[in-house]
Amino acid sequence: DAEITQSPRHKITETGRQVTLACHQTWNHNNMFWYRQDLGHGLRLIHYSYGVQDTNKGEVSDGYSVSRSNTEDLPLTLESAASSQTSVYFCASSTSGGAGEQFFGPGTRLTVL
Amino acid sequence: AQKITQTQPGMFVQEKEAVTLDCTYDTSDPSYGLFWYKQPSSGEMIFLIYQGSYDQQNATEGRYSLNFQKARKSANLVISASQLGDSAMYFCAMREGFTSGTYKYIFGTGTRLKVLA
Repeated sequence: DAEITQSPRHKITETGRQVTLACHQTWNHNNMFWYRQDLGHGLRLIHYSYGVQDTNKGEVSDGYSVSRSNTEDLPLTLESAASSQTSVYFCASSTSGGAGEQFFGPGTRLTVL
Repeated sequence: AQKITQTQPGMFVQEKEAVTLDCTYDTSDPSYGLFWYKQPSSGEMIFLIYQGSYDQQNATEGRYSLNFQKARKSANLVISASQLGDSAMYFCAMREGFTSGTYKYIFGTGTRLKVLA
């Protein structure tokens, strides 16, 4: 069965360190997304990609970067982790046609100390 | 301005009763889609139901139905015959820009539903 996975599921890091969160999907979807979820804010879009070599900034992209070298993966990098980036991070993918409903990964809980 | 508004941070419903979760949206795009997702305490996001802006009928998926009132810009989720397993956070989301091929989604802040035995 097709799926979308994230790793690690939990991560504790220190302020100033670089952190990369992995996202891998086997749906063969062109579109991939990264969100963060914080209490009172729902899900907020960090970055998204419509295909290989395509990346776009979302509403809360400062301090984050992504790259898309193949269809399956969209890693999210925190260049210099800050305590404000403590959150739960979700990766999602969607088709490029029809309703385009998103399929979500299980999430990564990141704590920055 | 909020594009997706869920005004009920928390709700209770008795088991086997129906419940309506409110969602209003704001867009000037004539072509858009509305989605509901469920997030149980385990944390995963589960797609429930979709309504397109041009769909003539309200969407239904099993016990879930979407009460779509386009003129009022509301897309309320109705859960019939609530079950204990329906206790979760529910998110309304909108995708604008269907005609331009945009796939950006905007989420509301969620409604936490608790089903009582």
